[in-house]
Amino acid sequence: ETGVTQTPRHLVMGMTNKKSLKCEQHLGHNAMYWYKQSAKKPLELMFVYNFKEQTENNSVPSRFSPECPNSSHLFLHLHTLQPEDSALYLCASSQGSGNNYGYTFGSGTRLTVV
Amino acid sequence: AQSVTQLDSHVSVSEGTPVLLRCNYSSSYSPSLFWYVQHPNKGLQLLLKYTSAATLVKGINGFEAEFKKSETSFHLTKPSAHMSDAAEYFCVVSEGSGGYNKLIFGAGTRLAVHP
Repeated sequence: ETGVTQTPRHLVMGMTNKKSLKCEQHLGHNAMYWYKQSAKKPLELMFVYNFKEQTENNSVPSRFSPECPNSSHLFLHLHTLQPEDSALYLCASSQGSGNNYGYTFGSGTRLTVV
Repeated sequence: AQSVTQLDSHVSVSEGTPVLLRCNYSSSYSPSLFWYVQHPNKGLQLLLKYTSAATLVKGINGFEAEFKKSETSFHLTKPSAHMSDAAEYFCVVSEGSGGYNKLIFGAGTRLAVHP
């Protein structure tokens, strides 16, 4: 257990479904991130939230909708996804500014779109 | 913009032999560099980090990495591989921005360890 908890661990959804991924951290970190990890591709940063405010949206399609109600929780709402959206979605958190802080990652949600 | 290049997508070693995973970085200023490991179906775990202190950085599980500015390299090494080291390894550079840091990941190197 890293301190960053993601649920569910696995999710299978149809292209017309609506589902949400949840991420929770109680490390006192102020920044939270969503990453997408697809086979044979580098990790792709999707969204960054710093003190609950979205500070980065890396050209992510609108079928992915993030929500950050407080510094400890981060959601990724999914609707009308495509099969190519199947991937491992990783949440991470970090503390502070500057370059000295690595991330603490959750174990990820393995998403399959059918 | 900062970036990292992992020079090998796959590395295969025998148990008990040395491990070398190569990484080169591109940065316009003194970077912070990290190595992360990902075991199958798991999230990423921090192995070690370089943040402008000692150039030789020791991490967990016997891994270490040396920052060489003249070569813009940050290669990961371990004297003796163990079967449990089989995983994917990511070299990462940090880009600070407005109160948080953004990590830029390399494409990863998959390490296989044979008996």
